[in-house]
Amino acid sequence: SQKIEQNSEALNIQEGKTATLTCNYTNYSPAYLQWYRQDPGRGPVFLLLIRENEKEKRKERLKVTFDTTLKQSLFHITASQPADSATYLCALEFFYGGSQGNLIFGKGTKLSVKP
Amino acid sequence: DGGITQSPKYLFRKEGQNVTLSCEQNLNHDAMYWYRQDPGQGLRLIYYSQIVNDFQKGDIAEGYSVSREKKESFPLTVTSAQKNPTAFYLCASSSAGGWDTQYFGPGTRLTVL
Repeated sequence: SQKIEQNSEALNIQEGKTATLTCNYTNYSPAYLQWYRQDPGRGPVFLLLIRENEKEKRKERLKVTFDTTLKQSLFHITASQPADSATYLCALEFFYGGSQGNLIFGKGTKLSVKP
Repeated sequence: DGGITQSPKYLFRKEGQNVTLSCEQNLNHDAMYWYRQDPGQGLRLIYYSQIVNDFQKGDIAEGYSVSREKKESFPLTVTSAQKNPTAFYLCASSSAGGWDTQYFGPGTRLTVL
């Protein structure tokens, strides 16, 4: 079965540094990979989507990379701020035989940015 | 304002009672989903619907039921058959095409006493 792992349950960094979160998957390569932010007691909010034929995507201070050889995505937040503190989820969408598959979520990494 | 709403935010029920969680969206999305989130766990798919009057079981459908009579609404019933119903329930929607970017509601925290 398909598995998705976010390597760190928690990541603590100092304000101003770059936070790097990792998402690894097994077996099939996903068609899409998405990153979401979730604050305590609230629903996830979409941040970025990257397709399997894209290497990198940027949005303001956020950057996502996608390496299908390593079966890994990295999510970077540059110049991190305390307001970036939240849990970040990666989600993969797979296509089997040309039809749409399931969206599978990782357990998330809780990021804490200290002032 | 466009968005997806869930009510209530907190819900308490006695063991053995059925309870229905509301989910409404005004984004004109065809697809809607229900997830369950437990501490330290990822989101797990309960049911999904890609069109009105049609829905499919997700990974953990046992003990749950849904209906999709209107495009805007996708209520979830947690039945007494669900062994461990206490959890945070999230509803989401996406545009036609099914599994694209999902927009989530604020969630309902269900506690069964």
